[in-house]
Amino acid sequence: GAGVSQSPRYKVTKRGQDVALRCDPISGHVSLYWYRQALGQGPEFLTYFNYEAQQDKSGLPNDRFSAERPEGSISTLTIQRTEQRDSAMYRCASSFLAGGRGDTQYFGPGTRLTVL
Amino acid sequence: GENVEQHPSTLSVQEGDSAVIKCTYSDSASNYFPWYKQELGKGPQLIIDIRSNVGEKKDQRIAVTLNKTAKHFSLHITETQPEDSAVYFCAASQEGSQGNLIFGKGTKLSVKP
Repeated sequence: GAGVSQSPRYKVTKRGQDVALRCDPISGHVSLYWYRQALGQGPEFLTYFNYEAQQDKSGLPNDRFSAERPEGSISTLTIQRTEQRDSAMYRCASSFLAGGRGDTQYFGPGTRLTVL
Repeated sequence: GENVEQHPSTLSVQEGDSAVIKCTYSDSASNYFPWYKQELGKGPQLIIDIRSNVGEKKDQRIAVTLNKTAKHFSLHITETQPEDSAVYFCAASQEGSQGNLIFGKGTKLSVKP
């Protein structure tokens, strides 16, 4: 079926506003990962879920960042009180097996966030 | 924690030549090493991966080698074609841990026709 989808593809917001980024993983995939990718860099881990349980959020930069996956499918990454340094490409990935099995992670096209 | 270094940052080759990209990792517990290709405007796509129980894996024009002792692994692309032009990322993770990937900074490969 379809691959990982993310919305919106582009988001421009003003400093101080909250934003919500959505990830729709491949149907049936157990694990869902959020990464952030700065220009010219590799993706940097933020957090991940097995089903609806958030297993690791050690990569979230601070408490303005949060994520949820309430029904074990779609996930939302929320950034509160955005700052210019939050500007980046935010990527979601999903894998069929639970995290830790060395399973292929399939990446979405990303959401380009620009904070003015 | 794990740290992955990738070299070179840019690589330009003539069509038909081979290209080699090298990565080193710091955590000896890492045991899963995927390579991703990222084309402009798209997300990274897995092209090949290797686990620590093997030293080499090949898939048509692409091969990956792993040296656990030296903690480095390499991507080899033979008979390069213009469509191989992209940014390539190596990554490492611990199978049996949470599975999040630690990526290198990427190599921009340009294949000139």
